[in-house]
Amino acid sequence: GENVEQHPSTLSVQEGDSAVIKCTYSDSASNYFPWYKQELGKRPQLIIDIRSNVGEKKDQRIAVTLNKTAKHFSLHITETQPEDSAVYFCAANYGQNFVFGPGTRLSVLP
Amino acid sequence: NAGVTQTPKFQVLKTGQSMTLQCAQDMNHNSMYWYRQDPGMGLRLIYYSASEGTTDKGEVPNGYNVSRLNKREFSLRLESAAPSQTSVYFCASADRYSYEQYFGPGTRLTVT
Repeated sequence: GENVEQHPSTLSVQEGDSAVIKCTYSDSASNYFPWYKQELGKRPQLIIDIRSNVGEKKDQRIAVTLNKTAKHFSLHITETQPEDSAVYFCAANYGQNFVFGPGTRLSVLP
Repeated sequence: NAGVTQTPKFQVLKTGQSMTLQCAQDMNHNSMYWYRQDPGMGLRLIYYSASEGTTDKGEVPNGYNVSRLNKREFSLRLESAAPSQTSVYFCASADRYSYEQYFGPGTRLTVT
């Protein structure tokens, strides 16, 4: 069935460094790839998304890239800050449904 | 504009008891979803509803039923709760065309 893999499962960076999280998906028909940030005890919040007709999208310190041929997409966070510490989930759609990756726990060390 | 709301926030059940989790959205979205999130894990789809009057099973539907009462409301029912259903339950809604999905605050359920 549909599957989304996500790596790494944990990531620690120094404040000001960049962080990269990578995901791969299995369904070639997927055309929407969101990223969510979840702080402890809170709901997942949509932070950025990309559609299959675009290769890259940027929003301030956050960017996402998509390689449809290889079926993988990545989240890039630059100039990390302590408030970026959270669990990040990628997802891919199949039709109206979504499959989520298992998450990456990002720790930004001051 | 409240977005997606869920009730209750917390619930403790004994094995075998039943309960219904309520979800409502005011964003005029067609699609609604129920997920469960277990500690340290991602989100797993229980049921979804692509439009009013339709529901379909997701990855982990056993032990649950749903009702899409109208366009705004989508409820999840546990008929006979089991300890394995201890989890945080999130409702979400999405626009049919943009796919942007928004989550409710979650219900933390413990079954003893």
